[in-house]
Amino acid sequence: GNSVTQMEGPVTLSEEAFLTINCTYTATGYPSLFWYVQYPGEGLQLLLKATKADDKGSNKGFEATYRKETTSFHLEKGSVQVSDSAVYFCALSDRGAAGNKLTFGGGTRVLVKP
Amino acid sequence: NAGVMQNPRHLVRRRGQEARLRCSPMKGHSHVYWYRQLPEEGLKFMVYLQKENIIDESGMPKERFSAEFPKEGPSILRIQQVVRGDSAAYFCASSPAGKVGIYEQYFGPGTRLTVT
Repeated sequence: GNSVTQMEGPVTLSEEAFLTINCTYTATGYPSLFWYVQYPGEGLQLLLKATKADDKGSNKGFEATYRKETTSFHLEKGSVQVSDSAVYFCALSDRGAAGNKLTFGGGTRVLVKP
Repeated sequence: NAGVMQNPRHLVRRRGQEARLRCSPMKGHSHVYWYRQLPEEGLKFMVYLQKENIIDESGMPKERFSAEFPKEGPSILRIQQVVRGDSAAYFCASSPAGKVGIYEQYFGPGTRLTVT
């Protein structure tokens, strides 16, 4: 079956530091890959996505590249802000005939200190 | 364009009662997904529905849980005879009909169920 593994948190950083959150996946097919962000007490918001190998998703200074050879989709940001404090989820979608259900990693909590 | 709506946002039930969670998808979206997030864990897929049809319920517990998405009105996730282990955040997501594997899912704010 499909699975997503991401680094455990919490990750604590100072403002303007470089952020990397590792994500690797296992999939039987050729999935689409996503990063979602969850702020305290809220639902998930799509941060970025990539639908095929070597695609780079980017949004709000965050980037992730779909690496088929290493089955990875690591999230990076060059200079974090306090407002980036949240839980980040890596996910993949199964493109099977049954639909587009998402398989999530366990989430990585990021805390950015001023 | 309003986003995915879920209500109630918080729900407290005693053991043995029924919980009914509602989800109104985004306008124009005909696909609904329900996910459960246990404390300190990621989201787990429960069920995928289209109007009047359950497409994939592979993540639903075999007993006490049911879901529907009628022709009119919101999608409902029903949990009968709740137990403490049902305490979790339940998220609904919706997407438009279209080419499989390409469209995104948009999430609601979730319903936080507490069973006392």
